[in-house]
Amino acid sequence: GNSVTQMEGPVTLSEEAFLTINCTYTATGYPSLFWYVQYPGEGLQLLLKATKADDKGSNKGFEATYRKETTSFHLEKGSVQVSDSAVYFCAHGGATNKLIFGTGTLLAVQP
Amino acid sequence: DADVTQTPRNRITKTGKRIMLECSQTKGHDRMYWYRQDPGLGLRLIYYSFDVKDINKGEISDGYSVSRQAQAKFSLSLESAIPNQTALYFCATSEPGGESGANVLTFGAGSRLTVL
Repeated sequence: GNSVTQMEGPVTLSEEAFLTINCTYTATGYPSLFWYVQYPGEGLQLLLKATKADDKGSNKGFEATYRKETTSFHLEKGSVQVSDSAVYFCAHGGATNKLIFGTGTLLAVQP
Repeated sequence: DADVTQTPRNRITKTGKRIMLECSQTKGHDRMYWYRQDPGLGLRLIYYSFDVKDINKGEISDGYSVSRQAQAKFSLSLESAIPNQTALYFCATSEPGGESGANVLTFGAGSRLTVL
């Protein structure tokens, strides 16, 4: 069935460290892929997306590349900041708009 | 004002009580959704509606009902609340998915429900 698997947290990093949060998916066809971010006390908001294989989504220094061959969409950032501390959700969806979310990864960035 | 507004933001209630969570949006989107967030489980879809006359069950609809009163309003009801319905509930909206597939969801800030 359709699913999203992302690395468990929490992930604790020092400021300016490199970030990778792994995400793999199972799906029929080639769904759009998303990363959403949830800051403390807020709802989820779109961080970036990719709609087809080899597309790279990017925003706020974060990047993720749609890898069809490995069914992955790993999130990366070269230098994290304290303000990046949040929960990150990987998701995939097709034309039905019923997104399938991963369980979320808590990122804590220490000064 | 927020694009998607949820009320109440926090609610504590007792087992067996009827609870309604309300959602209104100013995005003009036809599609609306209710999700539930639990620690370690991510977001799970409860119900969704693609227009005013369309209501569909999600993966965890048991114990819940919904009403789409207008394009802008979508409410979630718990007829007889139980403790394992304690969770953070999110309403979301979207435009229809196009050729590229699923479109972006716009979320409300969430309604935290505690059932004692």
